[in-house]
Amino acid sequence: DTGVSQNPRHKITKRGQNVTFRCDPISEHNRLYWYRQTLGQGPEFLTYFQNEAQLEKSRLLSDRFSAERPKGSFSTLEIQRTEQGDSAMYLCASSFGENTIYFGEGSWLTVV
Amino acid sequence: GENVEQHPSTLSVQEGDSAVIKCTYSDSASNYFPWYKQELGKGPQLIIDIRSNVGEKKDQRIAVTLNKTAKHFSLHITETQPEDSAVYFCAASRGGTTGNQFYFGTGTSLTVIP
Repeated sequence: DTGVSQNPRHKITKRGQNVTFRCDPISEHNRLYWYRQTLGQGPEFLTYFQNEAQLEKSRLLSDRFSAERPKGSFSTLEIQRTEQGDSAMYLCASSFGENTIYFGEGSWLTVV
Repeated sequence: GENVEQHPSTLSVQEGDSAVIKCTYSDSASNYFPWYKQELGKGPQLIIDIRSNVGEKKDQRIAVTLNKTAKHFSLHITETQPEDSAVYFCAASRGGTTGNQFYFGTGTSLTVIP
């Protein structure tokens, strides 16, 4: 299967610790997105890359959050000094050009 | 920014009946409207999409209609089956380099009763 791959699928961390999630997009997809989803809600946009350039960042993305896509392929999303409110599923998606995006299975974060 | 509203939040239908989920959007520049199905613990899966130059699109038991004037679009599932039970999300996007973020509705939990 060559879909969007996310790791780890589940992460439990103590408040104040840093966590990092990785996303491997569909091969040759030049756009990569990060979304956050909490229970009972739709995905909320966090940030988006075209190749290695980060083109858009949501106001939801506080300075504790940083995303990179160093070579225009995989991406990482790091959350520093985690808070309980960061508990959510972090979804990665990719697309080739505009519009149709395909999601990965998500990375669940629980901050205790 | 865009605001997408989705109704109903929950929907129960008997197997074989039809299900309809409706969404409205606020940004008249939105031109792409996908629908996603999300099963418990999994990421959303694209099931059908429609672009603003088309009023209706059908794929087997699933269809989507778009009314640009009224700024609403709907998902229709006919001959529902238990495996259709899931949460469905609508979304809207303006496309382009700086407008490609997707705005999602709050989801509809569909239960198909055997």
